[in-house]
Amino acid sequence: GESVGLHLPTLSVQEGDNSIINCAYSNSASDYFIWYKQESGKGPQFIIDIRSNMDKRQGQRVTVLLNKTVKHLSLQIAATQPGDSAVYFCAENQGYGQNFVFGPGTRLSVLP
Amino acid sequence: AAGVIQSPRHLIKEKRETATLKCYPIPRHDTVYWYQQGPGQDPQFLISFYEKMQSDKGSIPDRFSAQQFSDYHSELNMSSLELGDSALYFCASSRRTGNNSPLHFGNGTRLTVT
Repeated sequence: GESVGLHLPTLSVQEGDNSIINCAYSNSASDYFIWYKQESGKGPQFIIDIRSNMDKRQGQRVTVLLNKTVKHLSLQIAATQPGDSAVYFCAENQGYGQNFVFGPGTRLSVLP
Repeated sequence: AAGVIQSPRHLIKEKRETATLKCYPIPRHDTVYWYQQGPGQDPQFLISFYEKMQSDKGSIPDRFSAQQFSDYHSELNMSSLELGDSALYFCASSRRTGNNSPLHFGNGTRLTVT
């Protein structure tokens, strides 16, 4: 099927290296953030979330950092693997019960 | 675990025709969201429903309508289709609790308008 993110910024990393994907969000009132991974032909897949009362959260091989001062979110992937190749989106929620706004995606390409 | 189910996976329509997309949320999820994603674009929010009532509205054209039924499934109805409506349409569901909860997405319906 058609690839998602044909003209997206691309981050290329060597297998085994760490990856850092950045996202600038738009609304200072946003209080909940999610990183999604999207593979070709599939819907966005939840990776990790963080609430605005935190500045760091760790999962398995992934860490999300939140800097509310500059409205910046980052996703760190440790020991990047070929299966991590995908388009990554950050999404912000601007209030309880409201929708999620997605940022522009970044294509992660893992080199052998 | 059960995921969000969308049907059909692919749909080809001609200009000015109508289309109906269906979404079956994860069991016990009470909120459904619809997103549109063009090639190389991020998903754009269209509309959401909570407990069968419209909850939030985004960039949904007037030619489109949606509803959530008593069994919580949702349908997106699209009329007078235009070439620019060709896109991936995703449904997501969540369970609204006292705290925010993540959206869980289906694998989408690819709509092609010719």
